[in-house]
Amino acid sequence: GIQVEQSPPDLILQEGANSTLRCNFSDSVNNLQWFHQNPWGQLINLFYIPSGTKQNGRLSATTVATERYSLLYISSSQTTDSGVYFCAVRGTDKLIFGTGTRLQVFP
Amino acid sequence: DVKVTQSSRYLVKRTGEKVFLECVQDMDHENMFWYRQDPGLGLRLIYFSYDVKMKEKGDIPEGYSVSREKKERFSLILESASTNQTSMYLCASSLRVWDNEQFFGPGTRLTVL
Repeated sequence: GIQVEQSPPDLILQEGANSTLRCNFSDSVNNLQWFHQNPWGQLINLFYIPSGTKQNGRLSATTVATERYSLLYISSSQTTDSGVYFCAVRGTDKLIFGTGTRLQVFP
Repeated sequence: DVKVTQSSRYLVKRTGEKVFLECVQDMDHENMFWYRQDPGLGLRLIYFSYDVKMKEKGDIPEGYSVSREKKERFSLILESASTNQTSMYLCASSLRVWDNEQFFGPGTRLTVL
């Protein structure tokens, strides 16, 4: 099945810093999502981005489907950005999640 | 706004009890899903449903059953709760089965004593 790898596994930032999170996948996909899991456990949808680039405020994402990776950019990070970021891609018959990047933003 | 709600945020049950976890979506989505999330194991699909009264097993259906009597509601049932079912349970829905965005509820953290 499709393998999904995320890097880095952990990231510690000071408020105001920028960061790039990466998601590599082993096969072509039709569906890729980025989520933020907040400290209370809820998965918040960030982007649905099978290909191309999207922006939403301080966050943006780019998926290069032909090269099998996606990037999530966080600019001017805030403490509320802390949590775990997951990418998920469609496999044959289910959504396959990466292992996540744990982000901690300190004031 | 897309909304998926779950009946409880935290639940504590005893071994052997029958447990019902409820999920409701207000987006008229065809498809609903139940996942559990455990440290080191990530999110794993338990069951999903692509229509009323229809259900499909996911990766780890053992010890669980589901019910979907109405389009907006998908219930996860633990017939006889066990301690290894202590976990975070997440419900999701999507318009079509896989080629659409999935939206998640807030989760239910279940502890079985």
